[in-house]
Amino acid sequence: GQSLEQPSEVTAVEGAIVQINCTYQTSGFYGLSWYQQHDGGAPTFLSYNGLDGLEETGRFSSFLSRSDSYGYLLLQELQMKDSASYFCAVNRDDKIIFGKGTRLHILP
Amino acid sequence: DSGVTQTPKHLITATGQRVTLRCSPRSGDLSVYWYQQSLDQGLQFLIQYYNGEERAKGNILERFSAQQFPDLHSELNLSSLELGDSALYFCASSVGSGANSGANVLTFGAGSRLTVL
Repeated sequence: GQSLEQPSEVTAVEGAIVQINCTYQTSGFYGLSWYQQHDGGAPTFLSYNGLDGLEETGRFSSFLSRSDSYGYLLLQELQMKDSASYFCAVNRDDKIIFGKGTRLHILP
Repeated sequence: DSGVTQTPKHLITATGQRVTLRCSPRSGDLSVYWYQQSLDQGLQFLIQYYNGEERAKGNILERFSAQQFPDLHSELNLSSLELGDSALYFCASSVGSGANSGANVLTFGAGSRLTVL
């Protein structure tokens, strides 16, 4: 089967940098995606890594290493509005499977 | 507004009943995905359709069924409802399917919150 592991919670300080890791036990997937979900809201797409390496989109970056079965989302210059849950997801055989999510708490 | 429309937004019903959730994908998107999200749980993949055809199935109960119509809207039917079916049901759409990179960018609707009493 396939599973993705993420820390359940991470706490960081406003203005700092935080990294949310995602490890997976699956193969043959097309890529790793990241989504943000605020309380009471719908998930929104943040980033996609089809190839190994780093993808940068503004304050957010995402990284994938297939050889290490590992990826991460990096959030820089944290703002209070970044307080949310973050999900990694893989696309395998048309199934887009999500991890259980990481709740990011930001302290002022 | 994400462009993905889900109705109804809220639904309260009783055990044993049947409900239908509706989803209209974003204009131009051919794939529709259904997910279930329970309190403090992740997004559980239920089923995916591409251009009217079922492409992938997740842990969808036999009491649940879905279809995608020629106009690409989709419906998720939940029957013989149980208390444990209370959850937020999300529909998402994407341009492509499979290895197509566009398949990996999902646009979610606002969700349908189902409460079973």
